[in-house]
Amino acid sequence: NAGVTQTPKFRILKIGQSMTLQCAQDMNHNYMYWYRQDPGMGLKLIYYSVGAGITDKGEVPNGYNVSRSTTEDFPLRLELAAPSQTSVYFCASSYTGGESNYEQYFGPGTRLTVT
Amino acid sequence: GENVEQHPSTLSVQEGDSAVIKCTYSDSASNYFPWYKQELGKRPQLIIDIRSNVGEKKDQRIAVTLNKTAKHFSLHITETQPEDSAVYFCAASIPRDDKIIFGKGTRLHILP
Repeated sequence: NAGVTQTPKFRILKIGQSMTLQCAQDMNHNYMYWYRQDPGMGLKLIYYSVGAGITDKGEVPNGYNVSRSTTEDFPLRLELAAPSQTSVYFCASSYTGGESNYEQYFGPGTRLTVT
Repeated sequence: GENVEQHPSTLSVQEGDSAVIKCTYSDSASNYFPWYKQELGKRPQLIIDIRSNVGEKKDQRIAVTLNKTAKHFSLHITETQPEDSAVYFCAASIPRDDKIIFGKGTRLHILP
């Protein structure tokens, strides 16, 4: 299993540009998440999905969009990039059943700089 | 809203000594409490977790304790080694929203 994969690893965007961060998992996990981590800071939840076709906002959703058309993929879209979106973006997935949470597996991250 | 507070933000301990990191949570329905370790430039990885039906869990040099009444839980690392240097995050589940919330992290330095 490749686990959770993310592309690209690094990206530099100009202000106002758009891009999609890709995330895929091959563990048949039902839950997927997008976090951002600013330098020296913790993880902030952007969006998450409990299954194909279902997405929910997290703590910091403004400026981002997501979709979940398949169990495996959970892309994150940035429209009109701003310097405040400079961060490391982590995708994660987990199997969660009933009322039980289970381990979140993280991807390697995408380092995004907006200038 | 839901909140997880983590202390201290930075911790330096002599190699071989013990390290303790503490977290408090606000949602009384939280029932899953994982701890993640993040080495510099790497992704967070789970090191231990505990569920609300137990008070303590141990795995070699690391242990986690949970006090549901006080809504706090702690990570204990004994006989610290240089490779324990990293940022550690605690987290608590928010069952009604199907998510977990992370603390802000503790940067642990192991001094030679």
